[in-house]
Amino acid sequence: DTAVSQTPKYLVTQMGNDKSIKCEQNLGHDTMYWYKQDSKKFLKIMFSYNNKELIINETVPNRFSPKSPDKAHLNLHINSLELGDSAVYFCASSQEGRQKYEQYFGPGTRLTVT
Amino acid sequence: AQSVTQLDSHVSVSEGTPVLLRCNYSSSYSPSLFWYVQHPNKGLQLLLKYTSAATLVKGINGFEAEFKKSETSFHLTKPSAHMSDAAEYFCVVSDTNSGYSTLTFGKGTMLLVSP
Repeated sequence: DTAVSQTPKYLVTQMGNDKSIKCEQNLGHDTMYWYKQDSKKFLKIMFSYNNKELIINETVPNRFSPKSPDKAHLNLHINSLELGDSAVYFCASSQEGRQKYEQYFGPGTRLTVT
Repeated sequence: AQSVTQLDSHVSVSEGTPVLLRCNYSSSYSPSLFWYVQHPNKGLQLLLKYTSAATLVKGINGFEAEFKKSETSFHLTKPSAHMSDAAEYFCVVSDTNSGYSTLTFGKGTMLLVSP
């Protein structure tokens, strides 16, 4: 009965590879997000989708491409991985994208690029 | 533009003593404010939220926070710390006049609880 799930939990890969992280929510929410948490625990929004449409795209390299096949899924594909991409990536969802709605976070995917 | 400042990167308390985690924010509009907790190697869990209703907000696990507009503060408190409260705490602001919002996170406060 997990609300927001991510796979894989850990991902170790070499520079230059392409990898994907999957996210699914079973809360019936309309809006989903990807965040990056750096080594100092700082969290920053990367993308936000509402009903499969991109609504927020922060200054993220275009090597990162989110894909939303339906409103319950938001996957993150990363091309040509770099050392600086190593971080914990969190998926989240909220009922709507409006400010008063809290976001529910997945358990995170720890990406290590060697 | 919105921002959040968590005034302490680390707070150490003894079990059974009060907890105070400080947070100040800036916002162009009437904000919504949240506190999230992150236990080691876990995701973020919502503790409580303020969305322009009562200024004193009660959350889970005995935590509460008071929204003070005049001080632009949203400090998190708990009367008596428990060992299981040891974690990273994030103060978060969300504001939009209309349309979709983004969350801006503070840099976090690590709460250490000693026996």
